[in-house]
Amino acid sequence: AQSVTQLGSHVSVSEGALVLLRCNYSSSVPPYLFWYVQYPNQGLQLLLKYTSAATLVKGINGFEAEFKKSETSFHLTKPSAHMSDAAEYFCAVSDDQAGTALIFGKGTTLSVSS
Amino acid sequence: DTGVSQDPRHKITKRGQNVTFRCDPISEHNRLYWYRQTLGQGPEFLTYFQNEAQLEKSRLLSDRFSAERPKGSFSTLEIQRTEQGDSAMYLCASSARSGDPTDTQYFGPGTRLTVL
Repeated sequence: AQSVTQLGSHVSVSEGALVLLRCNYSSSVPPYLFWYVQYPNQGLQLLLKYTSAATLVKGINGFEAEFKKSETSFHLTKPSAHMSDAAEYFCAVSDDQAGTALIFGKGTTLSVSS
Repeated sequence: DTGVSQDPRHKITKRGQNVTFRCDPISEHNRLYWYRQTLGQGPEFLTYFQNEAQLEKSRLLSDRFSAERPKGSFSTLEIQRTEQGDSAMYLCASSARSGDPTDTQYFGPGTRLTVL
């Protein structure tokens, strides 16, 4: 069965600092991986996705993620945090057994301080 | 493209009552998904439709839950005899292409259910 694990339920950074949110996956087949962001009282918004076309994926709002098969990782990064980045971030994998439904990690809350 | 909409946004009910939620997907999207999200957890898959056909149901979807998508457009999720454990955010998502694991799922704002 496929799964994702997000390391660290809460990450705090200063404005302008590097953002690193960790995600490791488990899959017996080539995975398709996603990062979503959820702002308070809003639905999930896609940041970026890995579809095997390129290992370094660029997304919206300056975020990017690198697929590393040897490390089974798909960590999300942003060079310089903004206050507006404060939100909850979810890593997900497409479930090949359930009609491509997404299997989500437990999420990481990002706090940004001035 | 008006996005995925859900109604109501909030629902408070007493234990034992029935509730129904509605989801309107992005127009012409074939796939529609329901997820449940509890506090501190990521969304968990409940069920999905391809057009009007319900093709998969999670073990989380007990017999008290039923979902429909009668004309392949909007969908409803009904919970009968609600229990306090049903309190959660119910999310709906839609995607355009059937069977494409890379296709983006677009999420609605969710319906927050509180069972007293």
